[in-house]
Amino acid sequence: SQQGEEDPQALSIQEGENATMNCSYKTSINNLQWYRQNSGRGLVHLILIRSNEREKHSGRLRVTLDTSKKSSSLLITASRAADTASYFCATGAKASAGSYQLTFGKGTKLSVIP
Amino acid sequence: NAGVTQTPKFQVLKTGQSMTLQCAQDMNHNSMYWYRQDPGMGLRLIYYSASEGTTDKGEVPNGYNVSRLNKREFSLRLESAAPSQTSVYFCASSESLGGNTIYFGEGSWLTVV
Repeated sequence: SQQGEEDPQALSIQEGENATMNCSYKTSINNLQWYRQNSGRGLVHLILIRSNEREKHSGRLRVTLDTSKKSSSLLITASRAADTASYFCATGAKASAGSYQLTFGKGTKLSVIP
Repeated sequence: NAGVTQTPKFQVLKTGQSMTLQCAQDMNHNSMYWYRQDPGMGLRLIYYSASEGTTDKGEVPNGYNVSRLNKREFSLRLESAAPSQTSVYFCASSESLGGNTIYFGEGSWLTVV
């Protein structure tokens, strides 16, 4: 079953604007990751935030995590046409017998219009 | 710097045929994964291998088998393909289970007719 759910499903913005995508999840997690997927390609890791962290930055990316609300957001500032892609959150949690599971959401499709 | 390499890129199968998707990573990672991606469904884990010599079922293992041939290679086999297995398959690897970055291959597009 899917753990993370992204919102919105699709987002269209003008180049230069900021893009915000949200991810909600249901159970306790160890960490949350964001990935990007260009059309027809594999997923590329963007950023990982651990459950004891509240905010992380990487270049134009800012990720927040609110474990009390079981939600995370990904902000892309000053968007570029090259940011057009699908963005996925993935929640990492301990599963049974010491194993670990990373569960992906369905993604937000971002279109940045030049 | 190949990363994760999977083959074939595209394949069309008839219902009932079998095939194996091959995957290799050159990053000396312990853990490897097979996911499938369907429209509107995100990625779902089929099988994973925490380390060489171990394999475990993921969320949607039915109709698939896997082999962790060695530390580098992790193959996915469809014994009797069904139209419901039409999907894009991604192999991935990470240093270990638990909070590590996962590196993905470029995907294998499989159509079962």
